[in-house]
Amino acid sequence: AQTVTQSQPEMSVQEAETVTLSCTYDTSENNYYLFWYKQPPSRQMILVIRQEAYKQQNATENRFSVNFQKAAKSFSLKISDSQLGDTAMYFCAFMKHYTTDSWGKFQFGAGTQVVVTP
Amino acid sequence: DAGVIQSPRHEVTEMGQEVTLRCKPISGHDYLFWYRQTMMRGLELLIYFNNNVPIDDSGMPEDRFSAKMPNASFSTLKIQPSEPRDSAVYFCASSNGPEQFFGPGTRLTVL
Repeated sequence: AQTVTQSQPEMSVQEAETVTLSCTYDTSENNYYLFWYKQPPSRQMILVIRQEAYKQQNATENRFSVNFQKAAKSFSLKISDSQLGDTAMYFCAFMKHYTTDSWGKFQFGAGTQVVVTP
Repeated sequence: DAGVIQSPRHEVTEMGQEVTLRCKPISGHDYLFWYRQTMMRGLELLIYFNNNVPIDDSGMPEDRFSAKMPNASFSTLKIQPSEPRDSAVYFCASSNGPEQFFGPGTRLTVL
């Protein structure tokens, strides 16, 4: 079974600064997907970014970027130019590739609470 | 485009009562997922469907929980009888690719 570990329960960052969230996972699979979701106080789960394991290039979405280290099984999220609206719980998630019978099943980490302060 | 729709948004009930949570997935999505979120256990996958057929219900905690998907645009999660330990936020999500799109959740409180 896959496990996803987020070792930082909470992080605080000032507006306009950069914060990096860590995520490690354990799998014997070679093909899979990794995701970061954010859950603001409204509790809506919002997709932030996605990475396919077969792609060496790190995914980027505006101020959000990842550092994907496949050999190390590490998938960190960097939030640049932090804004007050980035305050949320951030979840890392793993999913096997669609060719397996577990297509669609996410394994979520415990989450990291990010607080952006003025 | 409407996202995933869940109802009700909040539900307060008494122990022993039947509770039904409802979900309308995004049109065209062929996968539907039910999750439960608690402080103690985080996000747990309860069950998921593909083309209205249950694929994996190994996360359903016990026989008091049941889920149905009678058609592509509607699913229900039922708890009968409800217990205080069922208090949680229940999310529905749908997908037609790797990403899952979540509804706003139903906060269930069982007194």
